[in-house]
Order: sequence, then C-alpha cells, then structure tokens
Amino acid sequence: SSELTQPPSVSVSPGRTARITCSGDSLRGHFGYWYQQKAGQAPVLLIKKDSERPSGIPERFSGSRSGTTVTLTISGVQAEDEADYYCQSADSTYTWVFGGGTKLTVL
Amino acid sequence: QVQLVQSGAEVKKPGASVKVSCKASGYILSDYYMHWLRRAPGQGLEWVAWFNPNSGGTMYAQKFQGRVTMTRDTSISTAYMELSGLRSDDTAMYYCARSRPPEYGDYGNDYWGQGTLVTVSS
Repeated sequence: SSELTQPPSVSVSPGRTARITCSGDSLRGHFGYWYQQKAGQAPVLLIKKDSERPSGIPERFSGSRSGTTVTLTISGVQAEDEADYYCQSADSTYTWVFGGGTKLTVL
Repeated sequence: QVQLVQSGAEVKKPGASVKVSCKASGYILSDYYMHWLRRAPGQGLEWVAWFNPNSGGTMYAQKFQGRVTMTRDTSISTAYMELSGLRSDDTAMYYCARSRPPEYGDYGNDYWGQGTLVTVSS
C-alpha cells in the first residue's frame, strides 16, 4: 500500500514558525489532510483539501502543496500547539493512508 | 451539533473478540461513511476500515482483512466495529470518525469519537 512520509519530530521556539512536510505517491491526484492530536485527546481535523481550514481552527495553521508534498505551517507557535501531527490522504481504492506522525516540541 | 459517543473501555483475553459502538447524533448516520482507527501505545495513528451505513459497503486496511466486522443499527444511529482474534498488539485506543463519501473527492474525518481503550491481556 502507499505510504506518506513525515519527519518524526520538529522542534520550535514559541512565536516562531514550524513547518511539517508530508510526501508520498498517494498525494498524486488526491487531497492532503492534517490532524492534530494532543496527549489523551482524540485527533482534530486541522486542514482539509490541502489548504482549507475548518471552522474554528486558528488562522496560524495553514496548509500548502507542491507536487506530491503537502506542508503544514504553524505561524507564531504557542505552547498549546505541542502535539502529534498527522497527514492523511487516500489511494485509488479509497483506502485511507496516514503518515507516521510528527511530534512537535515547543522549546 | 454533531457528536460521536463511543462505548466504554474493554479488557479482553488473547483470542477473544471485542465490539465497540459509536453513537452518532446531530446528523443522519446514513449520510456519512464511518471510519475506525486506532492508536497503540507508542505508535502512530492507524486507519482500520470504513463502513458505508447506507449501502453496507466496506473497505479495510489489508492487515485487518478478515478480522474486522462493521455493522450499524440505523434505528438508534449507532455504528459498531467488532475485532476478532485479539492479540496483545491490538491493545490500543480505538476511534470512530465520520467522513463524506470519498467518491465526492473529500477524504477528511471531520468529527471523531472520544475513543475506546481496548486492552488485550492474559
């Protein structure tokens, strides 16, 4: 099955910008999605269709695409943004595909 | 408002089966696909399968094929996932989450249940 590749960890100081990339063949012709999962909580949809923010998601979260790589950008990182982040797409059989997750540490 | 409320924690022995429920409110169960996902301790999020409550159609991650059964009871707006042949590495938090039908080109899970902890231990 197709895989999505994310960096295992990203560290950033408060107020700076964090970028998390996700790449894979599944993203060819299919939208990318991003989820945030804080410790002990269910995941939350952060970005849909590469770059759309669902209602209620702060503007500091944004998404973009270049080819078969999607990127989650968090501007002005806050301590509360420390979490695991997952990208997701689907393959041609509508099987869901997830990246391995990126642990964001706010220094 | 949309809510997905899952059943409580379960402790099972190896080889047994577990059935997790997910009660939907705030929308019509048949209008959205229901997905099941899990997160094992120290691991990442893993997609298990989806279920089309309207047609009964299913799609599974290859590793769960043959071990997962999904059903629904539309009269009480509840979806179920049963996992059989439990092993210790099935110990995880299991989540239900809805999505629009993927043929619409939208693959995101916009609402999630709170999770059901399944522990497999002898």
